[in-house]
Amino acid sequence: AQSVTQLDSQVPVFEEAPVELRCNYSSSVSVYLFWYVQYPNQGLQLLLKYLSGSTLVKGINGFEAEFNKSQTSFHLRKPSVHISDTAEYFCAVLFDRGSTLGRLYFGRGTQLTVWP
Amino acid sequence: KAGVTQTPRYLIKTRGQQVTLSCSPISGHRSVSWYQQTPGQGLQFLFEYFSETQRNKGNFPGRFSGRQFSNSRSEMNVSTLELGDSALYLCASSLEMDRPDTQYFGPGTRLTVL
Repeated sequence: AQSVTQLDSQVPVFEEAPVELRCNYSSSVSVYLFWYVQYPNQGLQLLLKYLSGSTLVKGINGFEAEFNKSQTSFHLRKPSVHISDTAEYFCAVLFDRGSTLGRLYFGRGTQLTVWP
Repeated sequence: KAGVTQTPRYLIKTRGQQVTLSCSPISGHRSVSWYQQTPGQGLQFLFEYFSETQRNKGNFPGRFSGRQFSNSRSEMNVSTLELGDSALYLCASSLEMDRPDTQYFGPGTRLTVL
């Protein structure tokens, strides 16, 4: 069965510190991976995605993520965070099972709080 | 290019009523998906539409329904509202030139059921 796990529900960090938000998935089929960010009272904004090609992908706002097929992970990183990065971050996966390919499966989210 | 728009942004209804939410996709996008977001269950897939046809459906009761029009705009309807239907309902659109494709989300409609 397919599943998406975000290991940390909350991650507090100080401004200018590095951060890693973890995402693991379980699947027996090919996957396509996404990170979205949600600010209070807003929808989801796409940060970055992995569909194919290089396993290291760069996104907006200085974020990057690496697809590790052997460890079934897609962790999100930023070398130096800013207070404006405070938000909830969601890992999402498309599982390549034909007709259900359009259905995104989400992790439970990680609340990133950046302190001054 | 304008993003995904959803109307209304906020709704308050009472139990037993029905509600219709609207979603206009990004211009040129042909696929629309709907998701429900609650603190308890997180983000859950409701359904996906492409070319006016429901292509995929999540595990929700029949009170939840939707449709897509020829201009790709979509509506979802919830009948006989229950307290547990209070949620943020998110619509996402994708281009559908290739699959897999990237879904772009709207701001959501916040539904409160009293």
